[in-house]
Amino acid sequence: AQTVTQSQPEMSVQEAETVTLSCTYDTSENNYYLFWYKQPPSRQMILVIRQEAYKQQNATENRFSVNFQKAAKSFSLKISDSQLGDTAMYFCAMDNAGNNRKLIWGLGTSLAVNP
Amino acid sequence: EPEVTQTPSHQVTQMGQEVILRCVPISNHLYFYWYRQILGQKVEFLVSFYNNEISEKSEIFDDQFSVERPDGSNFTLKIRSTKLEDSAMYFCASRGRLTDTQYFGPGTRLTVL
Repeated sequence: AQTVTQSQPEMSVQEAETVTLSCTYDTSENNYYLFWYKQPPSRQMILVIRQEAYKQQNATENRFSVNFQKAAKSFSLKISDSQLGDTAMYFCAMDNAGNNRKLIWGLGTSLAVNP
Repeated sequence: EPEVTQTPSHQVTQMGQEVILRCVPISNHLYFYWYRQILGQKVEFLVSFYNNEISEKSEIFDDQFSVERPDGSNFTLKIRSTKLEDSAMYFCASRGRLTDTQYFGPGTRLTVL
């Protein structure tokens, strides 16, 4: 069975500093995609970044980057120059790149960016 | 930029009543999904829909649930007889044929009293 684990229920960081959110997963599939979604207090689910498992290069999107370690099944999110607007729940998710591609979700990490 | 929309944003209903949650996916997308998130818990997959039929459903998606794409634009989730434990945030998502990302609507908060 596919699982996604986020072991940090809550984290905090000072504005302008860097924070890393952890995610590990388990799958027997060779081809899959990994995602980080952000859920602010409005509860909208917003894509932050995605990584294709067959790509060795770590994905980056402006201040957001991932450290994808396929052998270790680890997919951490680094937020650089944290901003107050980054305060949100962050969910790690995985799909199996099959026909349905349902997302399997972690429990989430609540990130607070402090001024 | 195209986006997924959902209505209503908040629905309050009495236990045993039927509810219909509505979604308008991104117009050229072909794959549609419903997820739910009970407050404080993880997001759970309910159902996926492609080519006018259910492609996969979870154990949660029992006979009380149904989905429909009645007119080529809307994608609805119906709960026939709501229970207290159906109270949750319900998210609709859609995905295009050539994309690997699901785009989510803003969610409908369902409260069953």
